[in-house]
Amino acid sequence: GAVVSQHPSWVICKSGTSVKIECRSLDFQATTMFWYRQFPKQSLMLMATSNEGSKATYEQGVEKDKFLINHASLTLSTLTVTSAHPEDSSFYICSAWTGGDEQYFGPGTRLTVT
Amino acid sequence: AQSVSQHNHHVILSEAASLELGCNYSYGGTVNLFWYVQYPGQHLQLLLKYFSGDPLVKGIKGFEAEFIKSKFSFNLRKPSVQWSDTAEYFCAVNGRDNLFFGTGTRLTVIP
Repeated sequence: GAVVSQHPSWVICKSGTSVKIECRSLDFQATTMFWYRQFPKQSLMLMATSNEGSKATYEQGVEKDKFLINHASLTLSTLTVTSAHPEDSSFYICSAWTGGDEQYFGPGTRLTVT
Repeated sequence: AQSVSQHNHHVILSEAASLELGCNYSYGGTVNLFWYVQYPGQHLQLLLKYFSGDPLVKGIKGFEAEFIKSKFSFNLRKPSVQWSDTAEYFCAVNGRDNLFFGTGTRLTVIP
């Protein structure tokens, strides 16, 4: 089956620093990758949609200058949380879509900002 | 605007009990409906999906869901749960370009 990986799985950083999270489709090419954020006991909220070679589309309320998304290839998308603050602490999940029936989700990255 | 409601936040069942998790959606167009499961420490996995045809959909691990268009519902069922079904369950609706998730239902199965 289609496998999506995320790296790192857990990161702790100091307030004011930047953190990069990678999302890779391991055995398929993804035309589109989605980035979600999940708060404790809450649902996944779509942050942005990323298409290879073009600018990401951000959902309303998501700061594009804070959450930088780069989709450099059909198998890799990165999310960089710039100048992280404690309120950015969350679980970030990516998914990859080939244009078919379903999205394939990564295992998520837990970000803790101290 | 699209929305998905899951009314049960936490369900606790004994093994062999029957399960039904509610999911209601709000969307004006043609919908594709999904149930995802997230086992502790693991990523989201697709349980089942409905696109068209038979409104009773069977998925993996003995789960099924019924799409009732008139009620805007897509409830998940399993006749006999196992301890290994302990997980978080998310209902999702595919709108125009992306998925909208419900808030999830945590299922705890007691051996």
